Amino acid sequence: EAGVAQSPRYKIIEKRQSVAFWCNPISGHATLYWYQQILGQGPKLLIQFQNNGVVDDSQLPKDRFSAERLKGVDSTLKIQPAKLEDSAVYLCASSLPRGLGGELFFGEGSRLTVL
Amino acid sequence: DAKTTQPPSMDCAEGRAANLPCNHSTISGNEYVYWYRQIHSQGPQYIIHGLKNNETNEMASLIITEDRKSSTLILPHATLRDTAVYYCIVRVVGSSNTGKLIFGQGTTLQVKP
Repeated sequence: EAGVAQSPRYKIIEKRQSVAFWCNPISGHATLYWYQQILGQGPKLLIQFQNNGVVDDSQLPKDRFSAERLKGVDSTLKIQPAKLEDSAVYLCASSLPRGLGGELFFGEGSRLTVL
Repeated sequence: DAKTTQPPSMDCAEGRAANLPCNHSTISGNEYVYWYRQIHSQGPQYIIHGLKNNETNEMASLIITEDRKSSTLILPHATLRDTAVYYCIVRVVGSSNTGKLIFGQGTTLQVKP
């Protein structure tokens, strides 16, 4: 079974530039998550989708971060403009619908360095 | 905020059992205990979860105290590949209100030869 796919694996940009990350979840998984993991910390949830609707985006810095999940499958996370403190690994995860309480399957992440 | 407390680091000898403790003294009746681990440069990986009974799978065993205020993850025969950060998480699970997976700092387990 194919896992959660993310790209790019690594990205280096200068502050005030923009960047986009892509995620393809496991087939059939209706719930998709984006997490931000700063070095030395545990992952922090940014946004959660159920199909193509947003369930929770309370921790998403909406002045610079945006995310969408068109057609309830792939998702993109965009940062514009980037700040130094956005340097982190951005993890995408997917799971079966929330009511089943199932495990989350994570991708390998996209490492962003903002200079 | 994370609702669990874990030691920041632990060592274990290869081949021995690794016992990772977790305190969750404010756990609610509808919250499950989940364990994930994160090997360097990879995404977190699900290990096991439970409500109040002890659980075992091919990866580990989960022992939850009777009052549910603490639990222990047991890796019965640790190998070098078990070196990772282990996260203990409490999470509401329900048909309409499954809660967020909120990660704390976790325990860094170092398995030594």
